[in-house]
Amino acid sequence: DAKTTQPTSMDCAEGRAANLPCNHSTISGNEYVYWYRQIHSQGPQYIIHGLKNNETNEMASLIITEDRKSSTLILPHATLRDTAVYYCIVRPNDYKLSFGAGTTVTVRA
Amino acid sequence: DTAVSQTPKYLVTQMGNDKSIKCEQNLGHDTMYWYKQDSKKFLKIMFSYNNKELIINETVPNRFSPKSPDKAHLNLHINSLELGDSAVYFCASSQDRGRDTEAFFGQGTRLTVV
Repeated sequence: DAKTTQPTSMDCAEGRAANLPCNHSTISGNEYVYWYRQIHSQGPQYIIHGLKNNETNEMASLIITEDRKSSTLILPHATLRDTAVYYCIVRPNDYKLSFGAGTTVTVRA
Repeated sequence: DTAVSQTPKYLVTQMGNDKSIKCEQNLGHDTMYWYKQDSKKFLKIMFSYNNKELIINETVPNRFSPKSPDKAHLNLHINSLELGDSAVYFCASSQDRGRDTEAFFGQGTRLTVV
């Protein structure tokens, strides 16, 4: 299974864009990149996913490099409610969503 | 209406007891999952059902048994509970088992074995 590498933690200022990096250098051609987040004491929440092209929805944007070895999740205007653990996941052929340690994002006022 | 709902939210029980956690989804999804989040906060998949058929069965003790009476429900039965079973258990569902399908999670059941 392709592994992902994320920073352990990061801070960002409220109202600013938050850019969360993820490395997945062993990703295969048909594996999707997923992002989830888990706010304290809640279930994981789906954010966005993509295969090759950049994606945008009401929550975030996903930028995938052309070689697909890394991606960046962008929260355009971070709020205090965006404080959470963010998981970057490469979904393998067995369809499992396997969560790593993620990045703990703290949004500060 | 909650899309994926689990009951109970909290469960405190003694070692050796048998307990069940129920999960229901009202999204019309075909695939459901059980995940376990331990004290170190890692989320690990335990089981997955697709159209009531078991498709993922990770290495978990056979004291854990999932049961899917219909597509909308996936219950988790745990026999002879042990201290190490204490964790938060999450149910999830997705439209199908494809790679291009997001999963929706319930709010979790915090199980404490004393």
